[in-house]
Amino acid sequence: NAGVMQNPRHLVRRRGQEARLRCSPMKGHSHVYWYRQLPEEGLKFMVYLQKENIIDESGMPKERFSAEFPKEGPSILRIQQVVRGDSAAYFCASSPPPAETDGYTFGSGTRLTVV
Amino acid sequence: AQSVTQLDSHVSVSEGTPVLLRCNYSSSYSPSLFWYVQHPNKGLQLLLKYTSAATLVKGINGFEAEFKKSETSFHLTKPSAHMSDAAEYFCVVSDPGGTSYGKLTFGQGTILTVHP
Repeated sequence: NAGVMQNPRHLVRRRGQEARLRCSPMKGHSHVYWYRQLPEEGLKFMVYLQKENIIDESGMPKERFSAEFPKEGPSILRIQQVVRGDSAAYFCASSPPPAETDGYTFGSGTRLTVV
Repeated sequence: AQSVTQLDSHVSVSEGTPVLLRCNYSSSYSPSLFWYVQHPNKGLQLLLKYTSAATLVKGINGFEAEFKKSETSFHLTKPSAHMSDAAEYFCVVSDPGGTSYGKLTFGQGTILTVHP
């Protein structure tokens, strides 16, 4: 069991480009969560997805950010037209159903740098 | 709504002395509580979790935490610090009974420094 896999580990984008972050949950996990960690801050919830469904996107910025978790393949967090303020570490976590009592397994994160 | 307050942004101890990292939470329902550790430029590792079973929870690497409902606290302790414990620690609450089902709320983090 390889755990939660995130790629790439590091991503550099110029302002205005698109960033695509991938997250493959642990085998058997059907719930995926994305979190963002700004420098010297704790993690902030962005979005909670199940297969083909967005359950809670209350932490997603209204513009330029989107997330999906298709029936097949990894979950994708997409940031369009990146700006310097998007530079952060983005962590993905997964859990099996029901999500409320199990620990959440985190990936190693993708560190996005916008130049 | 749920929230977490870690009372110390930095804690410094000497190797071999006890560690206390403080955490208070606010939750409308019976919460699940977690402590995670993050070493520099690494991912998050689960230390321990409380899910309404025993109030004293034992985790990995000698850490434990006690859930005190009356004080709304979930402090993390270790009897004897090791150099390898130097990292950032996050107290986390999950509020499964409310509208924030499955969503984790993180504290701001406490950076633990261990001196030789």
